[in-house]
Amino acid sequence: KNEVEQSPQNLTAQEGEFITINCSYSVGISALHWLQQHPGGGIVSLFMLSSGKKKHGRLIATINIQEKHSSLHITASHPRDSAVYICAVGFLGETSGSRLTFGEGTQLTVNP
Amino acid sequence: DVKVTQSSRYLVKRTGEKVFLECVQDMDHENMFWYRQDPGLGLRLIYFSYDVKMKEKGDIPEGYSVSREKKERFSLILESASTNQTSMYLCASSFWGRGYEQYFGPGTRLTVT
Repeated sequence: KNEVEQSPQNLTAQEGEFITINCSYSVGISALHWLQQHPGGGIVSLFMLSSGKKKHGRLIATINIQEKHSSLHITASHPRDSAVYICAVGFLGETSGSRLTFGEGTQLTVNP
Repeated sequence: DVKVTQSSRYLVKRTGEKVFLECVQDMDHENMFWYRQDPGLGLRLIYFSYDVKMKEKGDIPEGYSVSREKKERFSLILESASTNQTSMYLCASSFWGRGYEQYFGPGTRLTVT
């Protein structure tokens, strides 16, 4: 079964700390997505990766295809970064190329 | 900007009622999805559709059906609501560009009493 595992499940940090959230997957992928969900439900896409590294403001996402692993880093964390971060993967060989498999999410709390 | 809207933010229904959840996207996306989200279980795919009148079962289709008569609209139907269908329901859409990045609606919090 195609699987996506995230760690940690919960993370509490102090404002200003460097944060890392990890995602591992089981087989070859077409793309990996990092999503953010704030309280109240809305989910937004942060990054889509198929190789290498992407940066947007204080957020950095990396992927290692050989090791089947991705990380999401937040530099100089801020309380407004508090949210659930979700890793989602499009697996190669899916009958529908559009279907994603989701990790369970990481609840991040950044305290002032 | 892509906009995905859902018919209700909060809904309370009684056991046995037929429930309709509607989702509309305004960017001509070919793919649309219905998920439910429960604490500790993450997002689970109920059904998805890759074209008008086309649908495929996801991981948890039991107790649900869907309808896609127009490209922009994807409906989730609970034929006879049960208390174990109390959940947050999220709709999303995507297209082949940008690696099938999914755009999500705001969610519907359904409570079945």
